[in-house]
Amino acid sequence: GAGVSQSPSNKVTEKGKDVELRCDPISGHTALYWYRQSLGQGLEFLIYFQGNSAPDKSGLPSDRFSAERTGGSVSTLTIQRTQQEDSAVYLCASSLAPWGGVRQPQHFGDGTRLSIL
Amino acid sequence: GESVGLHLPTLSVQEGDNSIINCAYSNSASDYFIWYKQESGKGPQFIIDIRSNMDKRQGQRVTVLLNKTVKHLSLQIAATQPGDSAVYFCAGASGGSYIPTFGRGTSLIVHP
Repeated sequence: GAGVSQSPSNKVTEKGKDVELRCDPISGHTALYWYRQSLGQGLEFLIYFQGNSAPDKSGLPSDRFSAERTGGSVSTLTIQRTQQEDSAVYLCASSLAPWGGVRQPQHFGDGTRLSIL
Repeated sequence: GESVGLHLPTLSVQEGDNSIINCAYSNSASDYFIWYKQESGKGPQFIIDIRSNMDKRQGQRVTVLLNKTVKHLSLQIAATQPGDSAVYFCAGASGGSYIPTFGRGTSLIVHP
């Protein structure tokens, strides 16, 4: 079946502009995560959505970053007034809802490579 | 908080050899661990996971070992192939958290 889909795959924009990154999770996956990966680094957690619960925004680096998930499916990560340090690959992942406390592995998209000039 | 790291940034092996990638974690409450493989330009791909009530789990050509005493886990890849060349990440979660913490990754290079 279809995996996690992210768009665009690449985005180049000027400093100060706003950008929107899109994630289509695997159908039926209620958990959705956004991560940021800088060159040669591990994954930095940004935000987590689980069903209709309030999202865990504890990883968002500043108030320029926001995300929403409409209808429990597609998610959009928005970065306002972009800065050069925002340049990175933004990865989205989804997973089945945990049940009985049993966590499920995440399945990742191929990311959006964001470059701020 | 959780801290997950890998012992070596790069591991070079010959095709056909067995590979062992190590990972240490700091939080003794960590109870769920995952290994991912990331090829260039792609997102991380789930390989195998293990829960803290186990010390070993096997998949296809891969084995994960968990040593809770020394807070260490390893990924063993049997008969390594050139297609196994990638960056491998371990990730851990604790206390019922559904948000794993990722290490920086080990680059596995397989020489034909």
